[in-house]
Amino acid sequence: GAVVSQHPSRVICKSGTSVKIECRSLDFQATTMFWYRQFPKQSLMLMATSNEGSKATYEQGVEKDKFLINHASLTLSTLTVTSAHPEDSSFYICSAREGGFQETQYFGPGTRLLVL
Amino acid sequence: QKEVEQNSGPLSVPEGAIASLNCTYSDRGSQSFFWYRQYSGKSPELIMFIYSNGDKEDGRFTAQLNKASQYVSLLIRDSQPSDSATYLCAVNGWNNDMRFGAGTRLTVKP
Repeated sequence: GAVVSQHPSRVICKSGTSVKIECRSLDFQATTMFWYRQFPKQSLMLMATSNEGSKATYEQGVEKDKFLINHASLTLSTLTVTSAHPEDSSFYICSAREGGFQETQYFGPGTRLLVL
Repeated sequence: QKEVEQNSGPLSVPEGAIASLNCTYSDRGSQSFFWYRQYSGKSPELIMFIYSNGDKEDGRFTAQLNKASQYVSLLIRDSQPSDSATYLCAVNGWNNDMRFGAGTRLTVKP
């Protein structure tokens, strides 16, 4: 299956700082990438969908100025959590889809963010 | 009504038994259906997908789809303790947006 990587796998930061998370598709070109957040013992929550070269589409209730998404190439998308606060501590997971209709999404291993 | 519904469980089965996981969806225009497995603290991994009505088998896993009833299921034969995880049902709608169920937690007891 297709491989998606994320970096870093774990990050601890102070409140008020910004954190950037990278998501890469290693063996395919991802026309669409997705960012999810998952709190402990809760289900996946889609934050935003990004298509290469265009602005991300954010789900209702997700602040686009706080969660900046850049999908600059067909293999890389980044999520920047700006001015992070303790309530932003969560498991952030990206997924990527190669293209076409009804293509499968492949998930990255996730990034665990802890904001102190 | 949620777009994709699953029984949250936990579902507990003895080792060697068949585990049956169920999922219903609301969008009649949905075209493709996926099952993911998520171990605690890890990200989801794809188990299998199904597009057509009927059964699709892959090793110990069988996905079943009934579009008329808007129902998709996953059967795990000869369940192993290593199958203990949360199983996520995902549905691709007409607009190609994938929606996930909340997941069913499965425990396989030795």
